[in-house]
Amino acid sequence: AQSVTQLGSHVSVSEGALVLLRCNYSSSVPPYLFWYVQYPNQGLQLLLKYTSAATLVKGINGFEAEFKKSETSFHLTKPSAHMSDAAEYFCAVSDQITSYDKVIFGPGTSLSVIP
Amino acid sequence: GAVVSQHPSWVICKSGTSVKIECRSLDFQATTMFWYRQFPKQSLMLMATSNEGSKATYEQGVEKDKFLINHASLTLSTLTVTSAHPEDSSFYICSAITSGGDTQYFGPGTRLTVL
Repeated sequence: AQSVTQLGSHVSVSEGALVLLRCNYSSSVPPYLFWYVQYPNQGLQLLLKYTSAATLVKGINGFEAEFKKSETSFHLTKPSAHMSDAAEYFCAVSDQITSYDKVIFGPGTSLSVIP
Repeated sequence: GAVVSQHPSWVICKSGTSVKIECRSLDFQATTMFWYRQFPKQSLMLMATSNEGSKATYEQGVEKDKFLINHASLTLSTLTVTSAHPEDSSFYICSAITSGGDTQYFGPGTRLTVL
């Protein structure tokens, strides 16, 4: 069975400060990991994904995440927060990328950016 | 990029009526579509996996007779909430993936309110 935990249901940062959103996963097989962003009343947009290639993954909007097997973590970072980054962020895991596979979502972290 | 649309974006209906939500992949063929439900301030919960031309696979606890899913073509899946009740009020999101694809593309969601 797979699961995802996200430490901190709500994170606040100042504009221009480092963004760090934490994600830890549990998986009995090598995982595939994703970060999605959701703006109010909208669907989810893929920020980045780890699929067993490079452990440091770069995504859109200046975000990146590093897969650390020893820590079972996939934390999301951005060097400098922008007001437009305020949104809900979901970490997700699956164990194989096929058209029949399920993605398990974490509980989400709400990011606020303070001017 | 791959675009998934949902219609309607929001719907209000009376208790006891049925509501149909459409999910369309606009620029790619989706062999598999997923239907999620999201309560306020919560994560996405997978309801069912829909494969073109076959019966949907429902997650445990999801009533298949209440949430009817039809995936009649490679670009369209529909979710019908039958005999809707206020507790069915939620945000319903679909996603689509191509055969052999590695990413789920999400629709913008449909807000259902049952009075």
